[in-house]
Amino acid sequence: DQQVKQNSPSLSVQEGRISILNCDYTNSMFDYFLWYKKYPAEGPTFLISISSIKDKNEDGRFTVFLNKSAKHLSLHIVPSQPGDSAVYFCAASGAYKYIFGTGTRLKVLA
Amino acid sequence: EPEVTQTPSHQVTQMGQEVILRCVPISNHLYFYWYRQILGQKVEFLVSFYNNEISEKSEIFDDQFSVERPDGSNFTLKIRSTKLEDSAMYFCASGQGGQPNQPQHFGDGTRLSIL
Repeated sequence: DQQVKQNSPSLSVQEGRISILNCDYTNSMFDYFLWYKKYPAEGPTFLISISSIKDKNEDGRFTVFLNKSAKHLSLHIVPSQPGDSAVYFCAASGAYKYIFGTGTRLKVLA
Repeated sequence: EPEVTQTPSHQVTQMGQEVILRCVPISNHLYFYWYRQILGQKVEFLVSFYNNEISEKSEIFDDQFSVERPDGSNFTLKIRSTKLEDSAMYFCASGQGGQPNQPQHFGDGTRLSIL
């Protein structure tokens, strides 16, 4: 079941620069997408979400872009900070459940 | 800020034994979920629960698994006869509503190790 895919298992970015994390999905019926951040030994923490009727949602340093025709979403973090180092999961919201991608480990270098 | 709490943080069990993982969801939340993450793999949905009933379950959630809300605060996942492949992190989550735009809030997980 590869309905949600994150093709980059890891990403390293210099502090202050932009981090771009990507996610692709296959099911055009998904109507909501979310990004979660996960630190070791903790559960996923909600970061930002976007409805399928929008193409952009912004919250402080975090912006999520949705390209429905390409079935692609991305998370932009700018400026990146060392505390942003974590695993980032995108999730598609289906009926009563989330379908998660495999995650991208972001490392922000000081 | 209210949070979802899970106990124990680590459970070690012999294969074939029953195990119960416990969760205390956020108090005003009505929707409850279990997910698992096998080491190195993605977080997978197991089951959702609302109004004392299972709303949806995945193919992973077979007859070996059950969920219960025994009182007003706890939400449990029981695995009847554990197998080696049940070893994983199990995350409980809760949400105020079941709509897609209402984020689920996750606990820190229970690491289940089957020997």
